[in-house]
This record gives sequence, structure tokens and C-alpha cells, in this order.
Amino acid sequence: KNQVEQSPQSLIILEGKNCTLQCNYTVSPFSNLRWYKQDTGRGPVSLTIMTFSENTKSNGRYTATLDADTKQSSLHITASQLSDSASYICVVTSSGGSYIPTFGRGTSLIVHP
Amino acid sequence: EAGVTQSPTHLIKTRGQQATLRCSPISGHTSVYWYQQALGLGLQFLLWYDEGEERNRGNFPPRFSGRQFPNYSSELNVNALELEDSALYLCASSSQHNTGNTEAFFGQGTRLTVV
Repeated sequence: KNQVEQSPQSLIILEGKNCTLQCNYTVSPFSNLRWYKQDTGRGPVSLTIMTFSENTKSNGRYTATLDADTKQSSLHITASQLSDSASYICVVTSSGGSYIPTFGRGTSLIVHP
Repeated sequence: EAGVTQSPTHLIKTRGQQATLRCSPISGHTSVYWYQQALGLGLQFLLWYDEGEERNRGNFPPRFSGRQFPNYSSELNVNALELEDSALYLCASSSQHNTGNTEAFFGQGTRLTVV
């Protein structure tokens, strides 16, 4: 069964600090992995997308890494801002069959001033 | 260019009623996905439509149904509403569904409350 596990479930940090969110998956065969940011009550917005051959991808202060061997990904946020407070969702898509993505439950990040 | 639009933004229904949620994809996108996000839970896949046909559905009862129109907009219908159906319903659209590498863009969601 395809699964995506994220940790921690929630995280509180001070403004200006860095943090790293983790994503482990068992989706197979692997097609791609995306990180989304979802503000409360809003739709998710894509931050990064990585395929099998990519092991790092940056988008401003967000840097995602992928280790396809260990089936792990991380999202590193540098110099956090109050607006970074949101849920961060890891989504893995399988290349087998109908390309239905598997969503993690998300990590809730709260940035305090 | 307009993004994915969903209507209504909020919907309040009583138990046993029917709810209809609407989604307009980004122009040129042929695939529409529906997800349910209950409070505190992750996104749960509901339905996938492409080129007017249902391609796949998640593990939801038959009272969750929908359709895709010739202009690729979509409706999600929930019959015989139950309190547990209260959730944020998100619609996403994408273009080349068969590659799996194209991004899905999400709408802002419809907040359904069943009382």
C-alpha cells in the first residue's frame, strides 16, 4: 500500500530560525515528489517538484531534498518568516497505473515573532 | 490567467440533504481531481475526471459522485449528507495527466458544514 509519512506533526519556531520537515514514503514505482504549502482554509500551493534523478530543488528560502534510495525527502526553510506559518504537505505520485498522488498528512508549522 | 475556481466558498446543509460543489479548472486543463480534507486530517482522494470521464475514485461510498462537463468544469455531488461529511473540499486541475509529472493546481476549496 502506498503511504506517505511526515514528521514532525507540528513544529513551532521563532521568526528568523531555520527548520527542516521530513517525509518518508513507500510509494512504488516512484514518479515524482512534491511539497505543497497550505494556508489555513485555503488550497495547497506547490513549492517544489522532484523526479527520480533530482536530489535537491530550491524555491527561494525553501530547499527540498530527495533520497530515492532511502525513500526520504526533506524540506528546509531558511530564515523563517511569520508568513511561513502553514501546513506543509508532501505528495508522492506513482508512475504505475493512473498516477494518483498519495498525500501525507502534513506538518503544521507555526512561526512566532 | 484565472486559476482553479470553486463555488460556493461556504455551504451549510442539514443531515440528509444533498450538496453540489462546483469547480472550474484552469483554461486548457482537462483533468479535474476532487479531494476531501476533514479537520485535522490529510487530503483524501475522492474522484478524478479527465476528458469528461471518471478515471478513478477513492475509497468513498457511492453517495459521493460527480461529473465533468464538455468545458471540463466539474461538479461534486454528495447525497444523504452525514455529519462526518463536514470538511474542506478541494478541487485541483492539471493538463497532461498521463505523465504524472505535471503540476496539479488547487482551488481555494468549498467549506461544507453539515448540521
